[in-house]
Amino acid sequence: GENVEQHPSTLSVQEGDSAVIKCTYSDSASNYFPWYKQELGKRPQLIIDIRSNVGEKKDQRIAVTLNKTAKHFSLHITETQPEDSAVYFCAAGGGGGNKLTFGTGTQLKVEL
Amino acid sequence: GAVVSQHPSWVICKSGTSVKIECRSLDFQATTMFWYRQFPKQSLMLMATSNEGSKATYEQGVEKDKFLINHASLTLSTLTVTSAHPEDSSFYICSAAAGQGSEKLFFGSGTQLSVL
Repeated sequence: GENVEQHPSTLSVQEGDSAVIKCTYSDSASNYFPWYKQELGKRPQLIIDIRSNVGEKKDQRIAVTLNKTAKHFSLHITETQPEDSAVYFCAAGGGGGNKLTFGTGTQLKVEL
Repeated sequence: GAVVSQHPSWVICKSGTSVKIECRSLDFQATTMFWYRQFPKQSLMLMATSNEGSKATYEQGVEKDKFLINHASLTLSTLTVTSAHPEDSSFYICSAAAGQGSEKLFFGSGTQLSVL
């Protein structure tokens, strides 16, 4: 089955700096890679996703890049703000239905 | 985006009792829903895939007789934790694909289960 690794587990940045979270996956059949943001005690929220036929996607301050050959994808948050503080999960799926395998999560803390 | 409703948001029960958690897709039909378990500061661990009108598919290591899943309609899936024990205490969360064939998953608000 699919195995997704995520790094770092914790990330602290100063407000206004950029944050980068990286994930690798194992199943070459996976073709859908979403990122979720989960605030404490709340549900995960889809913030951006990318499919394997695209190398990069951007939505305002958030961007995701995908290297299908190397089987890794990254989340980039620019001009970070305190409200970006949360746990971020990457996921991979689509190889067999819409089942997703999640990474272990990254606790992002944006400091003033 | 699509709305997934999950109830209850928290429940406390005595050891040995059963607890039912509901997951509803409010504005779309979901032929497939997923149930996860999440421990504090850990990832979402898929427990089972719930398929409307058929038996659920359980992940390895998940006891199907303990975690009963029913997906009787296109908008409702239920997870029943039977004979709950303290080690079953956890955050349970469901998700549903926003439409048949869609890869985008939307999550319920989760249920914090505490077994005394």
